[in-house]
This record gives sequence, C-alpha cells and structure tokens, in this order.
Amino acid sequence: GAGVSQSPRYKVAKRGQDVALRCDPISGHVSLFWYQQALGQGPEFLTYFQNEAQLDKSGLPSDRFFAERPEGSVSTLKIQRTQQEDSAVYLCASSSIGQGRWYEQYFGPGTRLTVT
Amino acid sequence: DQQVKQNSPSLSVQEGRISILNCDYTNSMFDYFLWYKKYPAEGPTFLISISSIKDKNEDGRFTVFLNKSAKHLSLHIVPSQPGDSAVYFCAASVSQGGSEKLVFGKGMKLTVNP
Repeated sequence: GAGVSQSPRYKVAKRGQDVALRCDPISGHVSLFWYQQALGQGPEFLTYFQNEAQLDKSGLPSDRFFAERPEGSVSTLKIQRTQQEDSAVYLCASSSIGQGRWYEQYFGPGTRLTVT
Repeated sequence: DQQVKQNSPSLSVQEGRISILNCDYTNSMFDYFLWYKKYPAEGPTFLISISSIKDKNEDGRFTVFLNKSAKHLSLHIVPSQPGDSAVYFCAASVSQGGSEKLVFGKGMKLTVNP
C-alpha cells in the first residue's frame, strides 16, 4: 500500500502486560514519528526517528515506553507493564526530508490501546 | 502548557456557507502551521499548510490566514459541504536540535448540515 500502516488496529491488554505496536511508514520516508492521542485531545509527540537514529524521545512519558527502528523502515513502540493511563490511540506518521513540503507528516490509522 | 489552542470544541454550519476555524499559539519559534482533518477511526490527513513568513495560503475551497503579531491563524472553508464534517486539528511545526515535531491543538468538530 502507499500509505502508513499500523498493526494491530485494536489492542486490549490487562494491566501489567507488555504490548508491542508496529508501524510501516511510507516507503522511502526518512522521518518517523510516534504520537499518543488520549480521548478528546490532540495527538501528543512521543518520539522521532531519522532513519534508524532516534533523535528525540523527549515525549515518552516514562521508561516503560521504548521505541525502535533498527533498519530505518519499520518501527515498533513497546510499552512495558501497561497501566490504565496508557489507554489511548497511538499514531505513527512519516515524512520525507528535503522533498517538497518536508514538514508535512502522513499519518497511519492508529492503534487503539485499551488497558483493563 | 498548551502551545497550540483551539478554544472552540465544535462548530455547526449550513451547507454552502463559510466555516471559520480558529487557532492560537504561544511559541514564536513555530515555522510552519498545518491543518489536519480527521474522520472517526482514521488517522489525521493533511489539509493545508502555511509558512510563518506568509500571511495567506489558498487551496481550492480552503484558505488559511496567519496573523503573526496576534499569534493567530484561521482556516476558512467556502463553500462548506457535508463531507467536510470531521474533526479539524491545528498543528505547528518546530525544529529543535535535529528534531522536527508537530504540536497539535485539541481539535474542533465541524458539522456541516445539508
């Protein structure tokens, strides 16, 4: 497909479980972003990759959150020991540096995480 | 502290009329401003953007105005269509220390009535 894809689309986890959320960016896009969107709020920045380098992880809310992009394409956001406050939609976005409107980010459909 | 604010949670307009969505920001370092549209169960989709050095950008029925002195931008949709009904997010781009990220407002739900 041509767009950003994310899996799973929905995830229910029991409190304390670990989860892994996957993002497939648009082919060739150098930049990849993760955002967290709580109910009734706008997306909030979590972390940013340029190729495989994680250049900014200032938005990760705690050390239970970990993201990786080992080969500069697919990325995984891992949440350890999930808590109820982690319930949100997790959005992945990608963009292409230096081409056209580089600042324009293309979003995937998101993964809705519910922690019970 | 919210750097991008959309103070009105919702707006309802009649088909064919103008929709005006407002957004305020506090950070003078923002260099681009974007509007995203979001349908339920989908990710935000890019709508229109404006550079901080411009005061207007137009794309078909959509026009964004930027007032830097007031730290205010607005999105005008003319004429509004029922398919425009969605949640609209104002976002601002900032580049800091090798990182580029978008800062979003809370969103505003637009309903266009036939």
